[in-house]
Order: sequence, then C-alpha cells, then structure tokens
Amino acid sequence: QSFLTQPPSVSGAPGQRVTISCSGSSSNIGAGYDVHWYQHLPGRAPKLLIYANMNRPSGVPDRFSASKSGTSASLAITGLQPEDEGHYYCQSFDHSLTFVIFGGGTKLTVL
Amino acid sequence: QVELQESGPGLVKPSETLSLTCIVSGDSIKNQYWAWIRQPAGKRLEWIGRIYTSGDTFYNPTLASRVTMSADTSTNEISLKMTSVTAADTAIYFCARTTYRRFDKWGLGKLVTVSS
Repeated sequence: QSFLTQPPSVSGAPGQRVTISCSGSSSNIGAGYDVHWYQHLPGRAPKLLIYANMNRPSGVPDRFSASKSGTSASLAITGLQPEDEGHYYCQSFDHSLTFVIFGGGTKLTVL
Repeated sequence: QVELQESGPGLVKPSETLSLTCIVSGDSIKNQYWAWIRQPAGKRLEWIGRIYTSGDTFYNPTLASRVTMSADTSTNEISLKMTSVTAADTAIYFCARTTYRRFDKWGLGKLVTVSS
C-alpha cells in the first residue's frame, strides 16, 4: 500500500498521554524512509513537529516524541494541553510512487 | 523568521487555469526547494510538486500534465499554475519550504473553489 494510515481521531484529558500511529508499507516507512510529523492547529499554518523519525525542531516542547519501527511510526504527546487540540499528520516518501505521501491525519481532542 | 503567504483567486471556473503565488518573507528563496501541497475537504494532504530556484522542477505524476511551477528571485515569490481544473481540484493549497523530503515551513493555505 502506497499510503499511510492514521486513526481518524484520538482524545485525552489535560495532562494525559496520547499516541497516534502511522502505518505504512515496504515501499515507504518499511523501506527505511524517514517519517515526519506535522501539527496543524485551527487557524494556523501547519508546523513541522518531528523530523527524521524522532527529532524535534528548535522550539518544539519535549512533550512531543516519536518513534519508528518496521513499517510503522508513532507520535506520543504527554502532558496534554488544551492548545494541543488540532490535526496531526505523518509523512514519508514512497519509492513506488516516487514522491512524498501523507497520512490521512488524526484529529486530537483534549477533553 | 521566514513567513509564507499564498495569494490568488479563491474561485476558478471549470476548465480554466488556477494561478497561485506564494510570497516569501524573512528569507531569500534562492538556493532552496519550495513545494505546493493541497488538501481537498475531508481528504488527505496531496503533494503537487516542488521547484528549486534554478528552475529545476518535479511534479506529482498524476498532476504533471496540468501543473507548472516557477520561481521569481527578484520578487521572492513561487508560483503555481494548474490548467483545465475541475471540481476535484477544489482544495486548500499550501506552499511550503522543503528540504530532505520534509516541509519545515508552511503558509496558512489558500482555499480555491472550482465552480461555475
């Protein structure tokens, strides 16, 4: 499958931990291509949250972390805050398609 | 602090050409890669293509026959043209700076509706 699959939604109470999965295949994540994560908050430009599987750009709190294993990746958010509410997307490269692909996005609701 | 802002008509008629500009401020566009990405309502983000400021381009093969990107270093702008649009091209269009197959800076996006 030359696409990335994410759960449509996740939710958690303030202070809790949530994880968002990103499932790919042997033509993208499983082939060793990096996974990147983006945060898209209402009314804001999408923001690079995690790059190259597990690295945080300057200014991103360490509440956000990510990992990659096999054909999947995962984003974890600890200490949930109301301002974390928005959409989160994973992204990688697919060598069958020869271009970058995105997950369908996960809407995070902070209860 | 680099900022990107998409601009252009928000309404385009079917079969006509969609034209958008990405105005980059806070950094020169020179010697960097820039991309266009779109998101139809309720659907996933779709990579349209990318351009290096020398003019080197690479487009999504599914859109390549209709897409042209250009870069103007004198105005620090990136442009997108998409011909023969249909309702399926209705989407929010984003410009982004791209490096190592990731996008480290995005614009707010521009909603383009294709309708008569």
